[in-house]
This record gives sequence, structure tokens and C-alpha cells, in this order.
Amino acid sequence: EAGVAQSPRYKIIEKRQSVAFWCNPISGHATLYWYQQILGQGPKLLIQFQNNGVVDDSQLPKDRFSAERLKGVDSTLKIQPAKLEDSAVYLCASSLGTSGQETQYFGPGTRLLVL
Amino acid sequence: GENVEQHPSTLSVQEGDSAVIKCTYSDSASNYFPWYKQELGKRPQLIIDIRSNVGEKKDQRIAVTLNKTAKHFSLHITETQPEDSAVYFCAASLPSGTYKYIFGTGTRLKVLA
Repeated sequence: EAGVAQSPRYKIIEKRQSVAFWCNPISGHATLYWYQQILGQGPKLLIQFQNNGVVDDSQLPKDRFSAERLKGVDSTLKIQPAKLEDSAVYLCASSLGTSGQETQYFGPGTRLLVL
Repeated sequence: GENVEQHPSTLSVQEGDSAVIKCTYSDSASNYFPWYKQELGKRPQLIIDIRSNVGEKKDQRIAVTLNKTAKHFSLHITETQPEDSAVYFCAASLPSGTYKYIFGTGTRLKVLA
């Protein structure tokens, strides 16, 4: 079974620039998550999709972050404009169902450095 | 909101010794508690999980215990090996609404050969 795929793996940008990350979840997984992991901390949920609908974006800084999951499969997360504090690893995860008691499988992450 | 505290932040043990990592959650309605291992530069991977209707679960050298009354759960690793060195994260899943995970802050485990 193929795992969660993410690209790019690394990105360096200057503050105020824009950046986009892409995630392809495990085939058939209904729920997709984007997390932000700042160095030395646990992952923090930014947004959660069930199929192509948003079910939780309470911690997404909506003035600069946006995400979409067209057709309920792939997803993109965008930051515009980036700030220094956005430097982090952005992890995508997916789970088969929607019960909350199912394993979340993580992708390798995109390491973002904002200069 | 839901909060998960994790201790210790770093833990060093001699190879062959046991390691224990503890987490406390705030929402008594939480009902699912996974543990993830994250090696340097790699993705978090599930190593064990426990549901609220179970008090203990074991899988070879790792075990997890849950005390619902005290709202805490612990990861136990016995006969530690150098390859156990990693950062370990606990999480609690809220049972209502969006069923999202709240992660602890992580424990960096070093197994000294």
C-alpha cells in the first residue's frame, strides 16, 4: 500500500512570498489533515477535511493560509504572504474513516524555512 | 479547550533498561489515545494505541496503560535498544465534533549503548 505523499520536501522562501504544498493521501482515505510542526513541538492541526468538505479549520490563520481538497482526493495548502514564524514542517495525514478512532498515517512532511 | 501534557521532555536510559513516558489529558470525554514515534527527519509513525474501554495494551516490548479516573496514560518500553531512540508523541482524540487529535509536546528518548 502506497503511503501519504507530499511535495516538495523542502522549501526556502523569503518573508512575504507565497508558497504551496501538495498532499496525496492513501487511496480511499476519506479524512485528510494538515498539521504544522514547529521544531521541538508536537504537530498542531491546521485543517481537517472529510472527503472534500472542511470539518475543522479553527486553528488555521485564515488571513494568510488557505487549503482545498478538490474532488475529495489531493489537497493543497497555501501560505500567502509568509511570515518568519511560519518556518516549520507541514505534515499531511490521512485516515480511512471519520470515527476519530482510526490510525492517522503521516506523509514525510514539507520543511519550510522563511528568511 | 482540550490540552495534553507530556513528561518528561527528554529521557536518557541505558540499553536494556525500561523507559516510561506519561501524558495527561484534560477532556474526560476523550476516548482514543495513540502513540507516535518520530525519528529525526522522518514522519511520525503509530506504534501503539489504546481505546477508553481498555486499561492496558501490550505489543512485544511496548505497552500502554490508561487511567481514565486520573485522565492519564503512559507508554512503557522494556529492554530498550538503540533503535528506540526517537521523539515520542502521545495524542488524545476528542469523541465529538471533528474527532481531531491533540498531540503532546513530545519526549526525546535517548538509549545509551
